[in-house]
Amino acid sequence: NAGVTQTPKFQVLKTGQSMTLQCAQDMNHEYMSWYRQDPGMGLRLIHYSVGAGITDQGEVPNGYNVSRSTTEDFPLRLLSAAPSQTSVYFCASTFGADGLGQETQYFGPGTRLLVL
Amino acid sequence: AQSVTQLDSHVSVSEGTPVLLRCNYSSSYSPSLFWYVQHPNKGLQLLLKYTSAATLVKGINGFEAEFKKSETSFHLTKPSAHMSDAAEYFCVVTLSGDYKLSFGAGTTVTVRA
Repeated sequence: NAGVTQTPKFQVLKTGQSMTLQCAQDMNHEYMSWYRQDPGMGLRLIHYSVGAGITDQGEVPNGYNVSRSTTEDFPLRLLSAAPSQTSVYFCASTFGADGLGQETQYFGPGTRLLVL
Repeated sequence: AQSVTQLDSHVSVSEGTPVLLRCNYSSSYSPSLFWYVQHPNKGLQLLLKYTSAATLVKGINGFEAEFKKSETSFHLTKPSAHMSDAAEYFCVVTLSGDYKLSFGAGTTVTVRA
């Protein structure tokens, strides 16, 4: 059981380039989400998904796209990278079944992105 | 909408002394509250969570937190700090029925030998 995995661990991009951050979980979790972490700001929600085929925006969605074709995978796409997207990105997942928001969420190890 | 304020951006303690990390929240509805820890260059790990079953919550590694509705607080404590407790700690809130996490800005804990 690998839990939540993310690739790559580190990436350098030039302004305007595109890339996809990968996230996968092997716990059969329905709910998955992406956060970015910036110094002094905690983590902020980018996008989330309540199940395959269903996605929605979080607090800071601009510049990012997501899709959820399978339960296991939830990739995050940057279509045209900007320096403001330099950050550490975390993927998280949980069953999302208690209807109360009380379930533990499991985080991946993160992807460090530097946009020049 | 809900929000979280961590009152200290940095806390420094000596090994073997108590640790107190302060967290206040605002929420229009019954919140669920969590404390997560992040060690350097690592992901986030759940320390403990409050889900309305008991106001005093015990977590892993000797940490505990008390939910005080009248003070809208959820402070994290540990009686005796260990060097391995050096990390960043996040207070997190969700609304009932919602899995979107709202994070505080974080408190960095330094433990002196």
